[in-house]
Amino acid sequence: GQQVQQSPSSLVLQEGENAELQCNFSSTATQLQWFYQSPGGSLVSLLSNPSGTKHTGRLTSTTVTKERRSSLHISSSQTTDSGTYLCAPHQGGSAKLIFGEGTKLTVSS
Amino acid sequence: GPKVLQIPSHQIIDMGQMVTLNCDPVSNHLYFYWYKQILGQQMEFLVNFYNGKVMEKSKLFKDQFSVERPDGSYFTLKIQPTALEDSAVYFCASSLGDRGDTQYFGPGTRLLVL
Repeated sequence: GQQVQQSPSSLVLQEGENAELQCNFSSTATQLQWFYQSPGGSLVSLLSNPSGTKHTGRLTSTTVTKERRSSLHISSSQTTDSGTYLCAPHQGGSAKLIFGEGTKLTVSS
Repeated sequence: GPKVLQIPSHQIIDMGQMVTLNCDPVSNHLYFYWYKQILGQQMEFLVNFYNGKVMEKSKLFKDQFSVERPDGSYFTLKIQPTALEDSAVYFCASSLGDRGDTQYFGPGTRLLVL
């Protein structure tokens, strides 16, 4: 089945710095979603990006389908960006999302 | 964006009791999902549901679990009887299509089984 590796597992930044999060997965995925999970546990869908580059606000995601990897770039980080970022590609031939363990981001002022 | 609602937000029950978790999916969506996240652990797929049927389920979807969406109302996850290891946050999601479509997630129901 689909295996998902996210790196780094944790990242500490000063406010204003940029973050680069990586996601590698083992099988082709027809869809890939990035999520933010708050320290309280609520889940927010950030981007759907099965291929190419997508932007929303301070977020940019680039997915290279053939190489089975995706990245999430957060520019000018803010303390409110602190939380866990989850990458979830689809399992090949299935509708289910397979979640990585996440990157825990801490942004300090 | 599209909103998925979940009721209740929290539930505490005694082991062995029945619990029903309710999900109000995006109105025109056809595919529905449940995911489970134990505190501090990865989110894991439980089941997906389409046209009144379970399409796919994981090994976490035990015999004590069932799902239904009677007459287009709430999409429900029922656990009967509950066990201590069922304590987790359960997230509902919905999508318009299946494999290529974005899944929209609800805020989760925090279930504690005592």
